[in-house]
Amino acid sequence: SYELTQPPSVSVSPGQTARITCSGAQLPKQFTSWYRQKPGQAPVLVIYKDTQRPSGIPERFSGSISGTTVTLTISGVQTEDEADFYCQSTDSISSSMVFGGGTKLTVL
Amino acid sequence: QVQLVQSGTDMKKPGASVKVSCKASGYVFTTYTIHWVRQAPGQRLEWMGFINAATGHTKYSQKFQDRVTFTRDTSANTADMELNSLRSEDTAVYYCSRGNRYYDMYHFDYWGQGTLVTVSS
Repeated sequence: SYELTQPPSVSVSPGQTARITCSGAQLPKQFTSWYRQKPGQAPVLVIYKDTQRPSGIPERFSGSISGTTVTLTISGVQTEDEADFYCQSTDSISSSMVFGGGTKLTVL
Repeated sequence: QVQLVQSGTDMKKPGASVKVSCKASGYVFTTYTIHWVRQAPGQRLEWMGFINAATGHTKYSQKFQDRVTFTRDTSANTADMELNSLRSEDTAVYYCSRGNRYYDMYHFDYWGQGTLVTVSS
């Protein structure tokens, strides 16, 4: 079955830039979205269609793609950004949605 | 504003069925899909499938297609998820979410608050 691969954890200091990657064979042809999830809360969409930012999401969140890897970049990380981040895309063979394993962002 | 409000916590015995409800407001219910996503304790998000609120067409993840049923009521703006033959591994928080479609690709812009379902004897 199709899988999206994320690093389990990323750590940065406040004010630095965090980059969270998501790799998958179909990503060049299927849009990817990113979700932020804080403990005990529902996920929140932060990036969709690889690079688009929903209204209300700070400009410090951005998305990019290069080959089979998409990257969520958080510039000027704040302590409130500490959360789990999930990528999500489509398996075109089964027409099913797939989530990555999640990355825990720690702000030191 | 768009809201998805789910039914409350539930506890079931192995082998039983559970139904989780999701009431939508703040948008035209029939112009979007409703997707169901679950998250076992400490685990990743897991997509279960969706229902087209306008047509009732459903798409189930292969993992759940023999045990899950999605329905909707357009007069009440609600979507339900029923999972049968419950086992302990089904203990999870179940979320409904609104799906935005682009061809066969979706992203989920609004989520319910989640419903904890515990399966235990």
